[in-house]
Amino acid sequence: AQSVTQPDIHITVSEGASLELRCNYSYGATPYLFWYVQSPGQGLQLLLKYFSGDTLVQGIKGFEAEFKRSQSSFNLRKPSVHWSDAAEYFCAVGAVNAGNMLTFGGGTRLMVKP
Amino acid sequence: AAGVIQSPRHLIKEKRETATLKCYPIPRHDTVYWYQQGPGQDPQFLISFYEKMQSDKGSIPDRFSAQQFSDYHSELNMSSLELGDSALYFCASSLQTGLAGFEQFFGPGTRLTVL
Repeated sequence: AQSVTQPDIHITVSEGASLELRCNYSYGATPYLFWYVQSPGQGLQLLLKYFSGDTLVQGIKGFEAEFKRSQSSFNLRKPSVHWSDAAEYFCAVGAVNAGNMLTFGGGTRLMVKP
Repeated sequence: AAGVIQSPRHLIKEKRETATLKCYPIPRHDTVYWYQQGPGQDPQFLISFYEKMQSDKGSIPDRFSAQQFSDYHSELNMSSLELGDSALYFCASSLQTGLAGFEQFFGPGTRLTVL
């Protein structure tokens, strides 16, 4: 079965600083990888996805993520964080042998200092 | 653009009562997924439907049942509610067409509180 680990439960960065949120997955074949963002009391919004091809994927709101098969990682990055980026971020994996269900990581709560 | 609609947005029930959550997918989406997110937890997959048939089943308790109707909307029925059922319940929809099936669009969720 597939699994996702987000090692950092909380991260605090200053506004304007760069950001990297870590995500490690476990799955035997090529995974389908996603990053979602959740603001308090809100639903999940898809930031970006990786299916195949270019390992560096661009998403909305200036986010990007890089798939590294050798490290089983799919880290999310943003060069300059805005206060509105404060939210909970979830990495998720989909697997062809598990229907279309998504397995989520535990989430990383991002706080942005002024 | 139209999004996934869930109703009600908030629901308060007593223990042992029943609850019904509704989900209206994005137009033309034929697949619906239900997830449960407990306080401070990540979303856990419950069940999914494609073309009115159950597609996949996750950690859904036997007290819960769900179905998808001919207009593709779905309902999650929860009986004998327990305190531990208090959570945010998300519905997501997608097109069951190859990789598009993995691109799930989430609704705002229904917050269920069991007292």
